[in-house]
Parts: sequence; structure tokens; C-alpha cells
Amino acid sequence: GIQVEQSPPDLILQEGANSTLRCNFSDSVNNLQWFHQNPWGQLINLFYIPSGTKQNGRLSATTVATERYSLLYISSSQTTDSGVYFCAPTPKAAGNKLTFGGGTRVLVKP
Amino acid sequence: SAVISQKPSRDICQRGTSLTIQCQVDSQVTMMFWYRQQPGQSLTLIATANQGSEATYESGFVIDKFPISRPNLTFSTLTVSNMSPEDSSIYLCSVDTPPAGVYNEQFFGPGTRLTVL
Repeated sequence: GIQVEQSPPDLILQEGANSTLRCNFSDSVNNLQWFHQNPWGQLINLFYIPSGTKQNGRLSATTVATERYSLLYISSSQTTDSGVYFCAPTPKAAGNKLTFGGGTRVLVKP
Repeated sequence: SAVISQKPSRDICQRGTSLTIQCQVDSQVTMMFWYRQQPGQSLTLIATANQGSEATYESGFVIDKFPISRPNLTFSTLTVSNMSPEDSSIYLCSVDTPPAGVYNEQFFGPGTRLTVL
């Protein structure tokens, strides 16, 4: 099956800093989603981005499907950005089943 | 986006017992999924809950251990049977947003945090 690798696995930021999270996947995909899991375990949808670039406030994402990677940018980080960020592509052979990467654990310090 | 609720939000159970988790959506959805998140790990798909037919299980998951029901387009249950401490996880349901299609955005319920003693 598809392999999904996220980097870095852990990230410590000072409040106000910018960062880039990366998601590499090994197979062609129908779509890709980015999620933020808050400390209470809730998964929050950030982006539905099979290709191209989207922006939502301080967050933006870019997916280059032909090169099999996606990037999530966090600008001017805040303590509320802490948590785990997951990317989850849907392999072309798997209908609408998401395959989650291992996640990037982000801690933003005040 | 759909509003998804799960019951219970958390539970502590004794080994050998079973727990049924409910997932309710505020609108009709085509597909519902069940995921498991073991402590400190990522999410793994257990099965796709099909309305009117048996669930489709992923490799490593079997119906006897995780029976699933999907009686209508807004509701599903997952039972964790004959539990052991290794079943301690967060269990999450997700839904495929309408209109019906193959590549729709998925949304997740708040999860059920299960501890097995």
C-alpha cells in the first residue's frame, strides 16, 4: 500500500516563528487532507487539497501531486497551534479511504 | 460540514467485556468510516460501514472483534469485543461529505477514548 512520511516528526517553535511541515507519499492520490489534532484528541480539518495551493489565515498548503508531496506552512505561530499535524492522502486504488502519515508533533512556546 | 457526535466520549472497561460506540451524523452521508488511534500513534482505518450491507474491513481487523452496524444513512455503531489492554485507544468515526462522490472531504467525530484494565 501507499507509504506516507511526514517530517519533521517533532517541532519546537518560539511563538511568532514560521515553519514548514512536509508530507511525502509513494503513490498517486485522488485527494489529500491536512488535519490538526488538538490536545483533547479532536481532529480539525485544515485543508482539502488534492493539488495546488490554498490559504486559510496564517496557514497555507501546497500539494504537488505529480511529485508526490504536500507542504503545510504555519506563519506567525501561536501557542494554540500546538498539537499534532497529520496529512492523509487517498490513494487512487483505494477509493475514498484516507491513509494517515505518522504526524508532526508541534509545540509552540510562549 | 456535517456535525458528528460520538457516545460515549470516554470509558474505562474491564478486560473480557465489550463496548459499543455510537456515531451520529446530523445529515445523511454516503460513507462512514471507523478509525483507531493507539496511544502516541497515528490513525488506522478499521473498516468502512456500508448502509444495508456488511462492513468492509481492512487488513488486520476482523468482524468478530469489531462488529459494525449501519442501519441508516446517519448512524453507525462499532463494538469492541472481548477487550484486552491492547484495545486501549481512541476510536473515531468519520463521514464522507455529500454530495455522493468518490473523492469528498472527510470529517471526524470527537472520538471515544477507551481504557481497558
